[in-house]
Amino acid sequence: EVQLLESGGGLVQPGGSLRLSCAASGFSFSSYAMSWVRQAPGEGLEWVSGISGSGYSTYYSDSVKGRFSISRDNSKNTLFLQLNSLRAGDTAVYYCAKVLYSDILNPGDFDLWGRGTLVAVSS
Amino acid sequence: DIHMTQSPSSVSASVGDRVTITCRASQDINSWLVWYQQKPGKAPKLLIYAASTLQTGVPSRFSGTESGTDFTLTISNLQPEDFATYYCQQANSFPYTFGRGTKVEIK
Repeated sequence: EVQLLESGGGLVQPGGSLRLSCAASGFSFSSYAMSWVRQAPGEGLEWVSGISGSGYSTYYSDSVKGRFSISRDNSKNTLFLQLNSLRAGDTAVYYCAKVLYSDILNPGDFDLWGRGTLVAVSS
Repeated sequence: DIHMTQSPSSVSASVGDRVTITCRASQDINSWLVWYQQKPGKAPKLLIYAASTLQTGVPSRFSGTESGTDFTLTISNLQPEDFATYYCQQANSFPYTFGRGTKVEIK
């Protein structure tokens, strides 16, 4: 079955860190670029970060640049997002998403999404 | 950043109605416009990409059009399973940006 399954979310204090994982199955993982998209409670969608199929190219939104780091392990079909220096504004459900077309991240149409993992930043 | 202005924020409609949602990009996005459907507690689902191409498996009552930087999602013959929130997204350049969403509610 073609699917993405996120894990690693939880409650963390401001300034803390978390590492999110996204396990992919059912498709050739290394052939597709991937992204993380988040959604704060009751709010809309916000693109956070993306990575090419090879892992060589990475991109970030300004709101997370310098604090978050995206990576992938193609041998384990897994995408990661390291979240550092967390703030209350980072509280959201984090989705991993697969790019529709290929191993490059542009254009960024996302045809497969995971169920999401909740990150809550609070003291 | 490219700003996506989506309207209306909500619409009330009945089964069988035709619903139109619009999205305006703040600059040229070369037709790289995507529409998603999201139901409560679920991940977004890709409906239309490249402004007007229907994703495999999506019913033909969904359609997308474009005119310059203005994009439209039309749902013809609204079905009970179509009540959801719809988002547009520009897929042309980083950072990718979304509209604020349109909630389609039952009248």
